[in-house]
Amino acid sequence: KAGVTQTPRYLIKTRGQQVTLSCSPISGHRSVSWYQQTPGQGLQFLFEYFSETQRNKGNFPGRFSGRQFSNSRSEMNVSTLELGDSALYLCASKTAGGGTDTQYFGPGTRLTVL
Amino acid sequence: AQSVTQPDIHITVSEGASLELRCNYSYGATPYLFWYVQSPGQGLQLLLKYFSGDTLVQGIKGFEAEFKRSQSSFNLRKPSVHWSDAAEYFCAVGAQSGGSYIPTFGRGTSLIVHP
Repeated sequence: KAGVTQTPRYLIKTRGQQVTLSCSPISGHRSVSWYQQTPGQGLQFLFEYFSETQRNKGNFPGRFSGRQFSNSRSEMNVSTLELGDSALYLCASKTAGGGTDTQYFGPGTRLTVL
Repeated sequence: AQSVTQPDIHITVSEGASLELRCNYSYGATPYLFWYVQSPGQGLQLLLKYFSGDTLVQGIKGFEAEFKRSQSSFNLRKPSVHWSDAAEYFCAVGAQSGGSYIPTFGRGTSLIVHP
């Protein structure tokens, strides 16, 4: 089975622009979560989608949004980019989305904001 | 709100030596607890998890962790470290929410293995 894939792997944007990152979960997985990893703040939970609905949300401003499609693929969008948005963005998927399911992480998208 | 503390930013061990990485958590209810490993340029890989039951949890790659409720700890151990274990290790606590959980991660412990 193929793992979680994220595209693109690397991205460079300038302040004020917006960006869309994509995540394809493992086949059969219906839950997708997004995380931001920075040297300053560490690993932080952004949001989780399950069956096209946002199920949980972390403490991030409204500039960060996401969605999930009927095939479970997910996208996250960051509008009006700031320098502090430079980070590794990780996506993770799990099966039915239950509390005890194991999450599998993708390799991440490295976003640099200039 | 939940929180996780990993007191050691870096740990250096010799290959073949035993390892213990510390993790303390704060959470008002029964926690979901996890240990993840991250190699440079990679995503996270789950080593082990605790939800309930036996407090000694066995994971992959020869790792184990013990949940101690009285000490709010979930320390990771390995009896003999291999050079390939050099990586960043993250402890996390999951707060149950919406039929799933919201994870909070510690800041990580970087493991350096000397030959």
